[in-house]
Amino acid sequence: NAGVTQTPKFRILKIGQSMTLQCTQDMNHNYMYWYRQDPGMGLKLIYYSVGAGITDKGEVPNGYNVSRSTTEDFPLRLELAAPSQTSVYFCASRSPRWGSSNQPQHFGDGTRLSIL
Amino acid sequence: AQSVSQHNHHVILSEAASLELGCNYSYGGTVNLFWYVQYPGQHLQLLLKYFSGDPLVKGIKGFEAEFIKSKFSFNLRKPSVQWSDTAEYFCAVNLFGNEKLTFGTGTRLTIIP
Repeated sequence: NAGVTQTPKFRILKIGQSMTLQCTQDMNHNYMYWYRQDPGMGLKLIYYSVGAGITDKGEVPNGYNVSRSTTEDFPLRLELAAPSQTSVYFCASRSPRWGSSNQPQHFGDGTRLSIL
Repeated sequence: AQSVSQHNHHVILSEAASLELGCNYSYGGTVNLFWYVQYPGQHLQLLLKYFSGDPLVKGIKGFEAEFIKSKFSFNLRKPSVQWSDTAEYFCAVNLFGNEKLTFGTGTRLTIIP
C-alpha cells in the first residue's frame, strides 16, 4: 500500500497565485486532515473531513479551501497565495477508532510551499 | 482554551545521556496521548501512544512515556540516547470522542556524538 500520497513535494508560488495541494490515501480511511507546520509552532490543523462530502474548519482555515468528493482524495486549495502561507503542509488520514491500528494517524511526506 | 505544552524547545545531549522531554495538557476529560518523532526532512512517525491501562507506556526505539493524570503530564523518556535520536519530538493529545489531535509546539533534540 502507498499510504498517504501528497503532490507536489515542493512548490514556489508568486503572491496572488492559486494552487491545489493534492492528497490521496489508499487505506479507505474516513478521516482526513490537513496541517501546516511552521518552525517552533508545531502542527496546526487547517481543515479536516470525517467522510466524503463532509468537511470542517480547524484552527487556521483562513485563506484555504477543501473538498472531499471521494473517500480517497482530500485536496487543499490556496486561492490567493500570501507570504504568510509559506509553510510545510502535511496531509493525514485515519480510521474511525484511534486505537484500531498501530498508526493512529498516517501522514504523507509533506509539501514544502514558498510564497514569494 | 485547551492546549498542549512542551516547555523544552531545544535540548542538547551527549550520546548515552538520559532523556526526559516534558508534555503537559490542559484538557479536563478523558484523553488519548501520543508522542511523535520527525527526523529531518521526513514526516511524523508514531513513537508511542496511551489510551488506557498501565500508565507507563513503552514505544519503539527504547522510548517510554508515563501518564500522570494528576499532573496532566505525559513525559517522554529514554535511558540512553543515541546520535540517531536527533530529531524533533511532538506530543499530541486527543480528547476522547473528538475527531482531532492537538499538537504541542515540539522539542528539537540534538545528540552530540
